[in-house]
Amino acid sequence: DAGVIQSPRHEVTEMGQEVTLRCKPISGHNSLFWYRQTMMRGLELLIYFNNNVPIDDSGMPEDRFSAKMPNASFSTLKIQPSEPRDSAVYFCASSFGTVGLSRTFFGQGTRLTVV
Amino acid sequence: AQTVTQSQPEMSVQEAETVTLSCTYDTSESDYYLFWYKQPPSRQMILVIRQEAYKQQNATENRFSVNFQKAAKSFSLKISDSQLGDAAMYFCAYRAGGSQGNLIFGKGTKLSVKP
Repeated sequence: DAGVIQSPRHEVTEMGQEVTLRCKPISGHNSLFWYRQTMMRGLELLIYFNNNVPIDDSGMPEDRFSAKMPNASFSTLKIQPSEPRDSAVYFCASSFGTVGLSRTFFGQGTRLTVV
Repeated sequence: AQTVTQSQPEMSVQEAETVTLSCTYDTSESDYYLFWYKQPPSRQMILVIRQEAYKQQNATENRFSVNFQKAAKSFSLKISDSQLGDAAMYFCAYRAGGSQGNLIFGKGTKLSVKP
């Protein structure tokens, strides 16, 4: 398996523009997570899905952020409108099951820069 | 709410020597799991080692081992025979038992390895 695939790897956009980050989880995994990494706050969970259903979105900063998982093999994280403080590395991760020692696999992240 | 604390922002070790990275956590749960992840400059999050809270025996993975002190809520990582490739950010993470599958991360420790 190719692992968790995220695109793009880097994104530079202007303030106010819409940004869409994409993720393809590992085939067969039924849990998907979006994390954000910044120097100040470290790695924070934004949202996670189980069987394509959002389970916990309490980490989504505000209404400008939205996430979808239309099927088991694809998810998007959208920011509209983007702001400079959204600049961060966004990770998508997936796992089979959410309990015990089930292993969480991470994509390589998308580095977002909002200017 | 559960929290994870890594009190050492940076650590340094001589090649071939041993280093220990500290991690403490706070939880009222009795069922949980602990992990150490490595993040090299490539940004990829790599699982290093994992431990079930109900197991008293410390987990080991080749040169990596943990010292799990449940009563003290401490979960330190020991790297033996340090190699240049061990240089990276190391994150301690917690996951509650049951159906909540997301990882809660510490802020990380940057490990440098001197040749």
